[in-house]
Formats: sequence, C-alpha cells, structure tokens
Amino acid sequence: AQSVTQLDSQVPVFEEAPVELRCNYSSSVSVYLFWYVQYPNQGLQLLLKYLSGSTLVKGINGFEAEFNKSQTSFHLRKPSVHISDTAEYFCAVSRPYGQNFVFGPGTRLSVLP
Amino acid sequence: EAGVTQFPSHSVIEKGQTVTLRCDPISGHDNLYWYRRVMGKEIKFLLHFVKESKQDESGMPNNRFLAERTGGTYSTLKVQPAELEDSGVYFCASSQERGVGGYTFGSGTRLTVV
Repeated sequence: AQSVTQLDSQVPVFEEAPVELRCNYSSSVSVYLFWYVQYPNQGLQLLLKYLSGSTLVKGINGFEAEFNKSQTSFHLRKPSVHISDTAEYFCAVSRPYGQNFVFGPGTRLSVLP
Repeated sequence: EAGVTQFPSHSVIEKGQTVTLRCDPISGHDNLYWYRRVMGKEIKFLLHFVKESKQDESGMPNNRFLAERTGGTYSTLKVQPAELEDSGVYFCASSQERGVGGYTFGSGTRLTVV
C-alpha cells in the first residue's frame, strides 16, 4: 500500500518569494508521482508528474519538483510566487499502470502582498 | 472540448435524506472515477467505471453509497440515507486511456449533511 505525507498544512509566503511544498511518500513498490492544484471553486488541475527519467520535472506556471528516491520525497518548488498561486496543493502517488491515486492531505499556500 | 461536469455544485441536506450526485465525463472517455474528500482529510478513491461496468469499487465506504453509469455515459452517486460524516467534496474524473496519466477532474460537489 502507498501513503503520502504533506507535513505543512498551511504555508504563508510573500509575493515574489520562493516557496517549497514538501511531499514524502511510502511505498513497497515503485510509484508514479504527481502534484495537483485546486484553485478556489475549481477542480483539481495537474501541475506536473514524474513517471520515469530525469528526476527534475518542470510543470505549468513555473513550478518544478524533484524526485528523490533515497529520501522518498517529491518536493514542489517555485522560485518566485504570485498572488494567483494562492491555492491548495496536493501530492499524489499511483502504482505504475495503476488506475487510481493515493493523495496527501494537501497544503494550503497563501501568497501575501 | 467540454470538461468533466458535476452537479449540483453544492448540496445541503438533512441527515437521513437521500442525495444524488451526477457526473458527466468528457465525451468519449470510457473511464470514470469517483473520489471524495471528507472534511480535513485526504482525497480518497471511491470507485472506477469502465464504460458501464464497475472495474474497482474497493473505496466505497459502505452500502449507503450506490454508483451507477447506465449506458456508459454519465454517472450518478447516490447516498441513502445520508449521515453527518458523509459531508465533504465529491470529485469525479474521467480519462480516455487506462491509468492515471490522462485524468481530467471535475470541479466537485460540496455536500453538507446537517
């Protein structure tokens, strides 16, 4: 079975500052890793995913994440955030060729002016 | 192309009542998934349809929940009778291919049981 931990439930950060949202996972088998974002009153939108290959993955809106197998982590980063990045961010895993996700509890990012 | 549509967007019902949530997937998507996020907890998988057949319903919490997908198009999720702990956001997703790579999520239905 897989599980996902997002240690920070809320992260406040000032506009144009860098941000890192942490994600750690536990799995007895290899996994695919994902970050989703939910803006207010919207659905879940895929930010980026790691399936294989380069451990540094670039996504939409300037976000990137790095897969670290030894640390079982997949932290999300952005060098300079905007007010519009205020949202809830979810880390998720799935088995390769699996049909469904296991999600973390989410991190609420608040970007302050 | 239209996205995954869920309605209602919000529903408030009393404990013991029945509620039916609907999901319209993207046209042509054979795979349809339901997830839910109860208050303060993780988003959890409920079930997966391939066309009209239930491929995996391992996440359904109990027999008060009934999902259907007649004709392999839209799907409904009925909660009968609703309990307070059923409050949360119910998400639907669809994909054309099998696997998680092609998911498109809807905006969810926020269910409040009072």
